[in-house]
Amino acid sequence: DTAVSQTPKYLVTQMGNDKSIKCEQNLGHDTMYWYKQDSKKFLKIMFSYNNKELIINETVPNRFSPKSPDKAHLNLHINSLELGDSAVYFCASSQGVLEAFFGQGTRLTVV
Amino acid sequence: GNSVTQMEGPVTLSEEAFLTINCTYTATGYPSLFWYVQYPGEGLQLLLKATKADDKGSNKGFEATYRKETTFFHLEKGSVQVSDSAVYFCALNTNAGKSTFGDGTTLTVKP
Repeated sequence: DTAVSQTPKYLVTQMGNDKSIKCEQNLGHDTMYWYKQDSKKFLKIMFSYNNKELIINETVPNRFSPKSPDKAHLNLHINSLELGDSAVYFCASSQGVLEAFFGQGTRLTVV
Repeated sequence: GNSVTQMEGPVTLSEEAFLTINCTYTATGYPSLFWYVQYPGEGLQLLLKATKADDKGSNKGFEATYRKETTFFHLEKGSVQVSDSAVYFCALNTNAGKSTFGDGTTLTVKP
C-alpha cells in the first residue's frame, strides 16, 4: 500500500490551462506539504498544512491554490499555467517533527 | 529563520572511495535532523535521522551524528558503491509543518 500517493504522475498541458494535482496519505499524519523541484534538483517548499490549516505559504504566485478537504488529502490547483511552472511537484506528509514521507512526484510539462 | 547549507555538487567518486557530504544548519532550539536520498526518477526517501543530541543516524553504511556543540550534520560512508549514485538532501524540522531542506548534492559513483 502506497503511503503517499499523488496523481497524475505525468501531466503535459498547454500554456494558459488550469490543472490540478491530487495527493492522499494513509499514514494518519497531521501535516502535509507541496514542494516544487526544478531541473537543478533544488527543492522548494510551496505550502504546508497542519490539521487542514495553512502553516506555510511561501512566495508562490496566487495562481497556485492548495486545498485540504481533510487531513489525508492536499490537492494543488494551478490556474493559467506558464512555461516556468514546468517542474516536478512532490507531495509529502509528516507527523510532528519526524521525517517526511514523499510521493513519487508529478512531472508537469507546460508547452 | 531556519536554514540548511550543504556542500555543493556534483560530487564524483570512484567505487570504494570515502564519502563526506557536509551539512551546516541554523535553527531555533534543537531540531530533528535528517538525510534524504533521491534516486533517479523517484521521490525523496529517508536515509537516516537523528532526533536528539548525541544521536547517530545510520543506514546502508551511511552515518551522521547530531552533536550538540556544533551545527553540523555531515553525511559519511566509508566505501561507496555505484548504486549510491543519487541526490542527497540534508533537512531539519523544528515544529510540525516547518521542514527546511538544503539544496541537494548530486553524487555520481563510477566503477
